[in-house]
Amino acid sequence: KNQVEQSPQSLIILEGKNCTLQCNYTVSPFSNLRWYKQDTGRGPVSLTIMTFSENTKSNGRYTATLDADTKQSSLHITASQLSDSASYICVVSSQTGANNLFFGTGTRLTVIP
Amino acid sequence: GAGVSQSPSNKVTEKGKDVELRCDPISGHTALYWYRQRLGQGLEFLIYFQGNSAPDKSGLPSDRFSAERTGESVSTLTIQRTQQEDSAVYLCASSLAGGPGTDTQYFGPGTRLTVL
Repeated sequence: KNQVEQSPQSLIILEGKNCTLQCNYTVSPFSNLRWYKQDTGRGPVSLTIMTFSENTKSNGRYTATLDADTKQSSLHITASQLSDSASYICVVSSQTGANNLFFGTGTRLTVIP
Repeated sequence: GAGVSQSPSNKVTEKGKDVELRCDPISGHTALYWYRQRLGQGLEFLIYFQGNSAPDKSGLPSDRFSAERTGESVSTLTIQRTQQEDSAVYLCASSLAGGPGTDTQYFGPGTRLTVL
């Protein structure tokens, strides 16, 4: 069964600290993995997209990693800011099937001053 | 427009009424998607349009849900005889071309539907 699981469910950190969010998936055959940021009351916004051959990809203070062998991904946020408070959603796409997107339930990050 | 827009932003309706939600995708985007997000839960795929046709309607939860797209542009999601469990945020996204797994999807702000 194709599934995407994220952890932790929620996280509170102090401004300026780093954090890492996890995404484990069982989607097969794998096509790509995306991390989205969803601010409260807004639609998700794409942060990174990684294909099978990519191990690391950065977007500013966000760095995503992918281990296709263990089917794990992480999103590392460096020097967190208050504006990083949001839900972070991991989305994995399969190579087959018309409905081939599988969404995690997200990690709710709260950055406090 | 600059991004995906959705209307209304909020809709409160009584159980049993019909509602229509609208999505205006980014100009030139041929693919359009509808998702449902219940409070505290992940996104749930509803339907995907490529142009004006819907190759995948598998996510529509019941025959009370329908969607159409015209002119390869605006799309409407209609929920008939609304139930309380239909309460959720309905998100629309569009992408340049390709299927759900290929292009980056750009999301609208969503319509928050509350069924009393």
